[in-house]
Amino acid sequence: EIVLTQSPGTLSLSPGERVTLSCRASQSVSSSSLAWYQQKPGQAPRLLIYGASSRASGIPDRFSGSGSGTDFTLTISRLEPEDFAVYYCQQYGSSPITFGQGTRLEIK
Amino acid sequence: EVQLLDSGGGLIQPGGSLRVSCAASGFTFRSYAMNWVRQAPGKGLEWVSGISGSGDSTNYADSVRGRFTISRDNSKNTLYLQMNSLRAEDTAVYYCAKAPGNFHRNPGDYWGQGTLVTVSS
Repeated sequence: EIVLTQSPGTLSLSPGERVTLSCRASQSVSSSSLAWYQQKPGQAPRLLIYGASSRASGIPDRFSGSGSGTDFTLTISRLEPEDFAVYYCQQYGSSPITFGQGTRLEIK
Repeated sequence: EVQLLDSGGGLIQPGGSLRVSCAASGFTFRSYAMNWVRQAPGKGLEWVSGISGSGDSTNYADSVRGRFTISRDNSKNTLYLQMNSLRAEDTAVYYCAKAPGNFHRNPGDYWGQGTLVTVSS
């Protein structure tokens, strides 16, 4: 099973700042099969990025993903108030599908 | 518009059984794989099970294999998760998620709102 480790656990930032979230895999993620999700309290996760760097439909271009192999990042270029949430990475290249433990992005 | 409506959650005693459902609309249901993902209270996301569009291929997490069964009725556009021998650690919100293709090992591009299953005496 591929273990995904996200860092940091919590980030406190202000609107307008740039942020980079990290997701590290215990072994190589095949075909860059890595996705990022945003989840707000009481809501279902929302797909942001798939294939490590492709934005899902309707996702603003301030969200970008990069990486390959075992190291992946999600960058939000300029934080908007609605971006404060929990972010999860997910690998779907190997069975079983696994998720990282999440990074909480909170308003400073 | 794609819509997924999860239902069937509730309070169940340890060792009991429950079936949760996901009613789909707005897309050709039989053409897409589906997954169940759960989230224990205050915790992260855990993949539970996946099924191909035709229903002939299924996969399970080790934590539920032998106790849970995923199935689908393409004539009713509905996905199911039959949960038997429930344990306290199965307490979670259960989400169905649509895959963008016919293989379950894909990201979830649309999600249901979730249904809460509580296992407690």
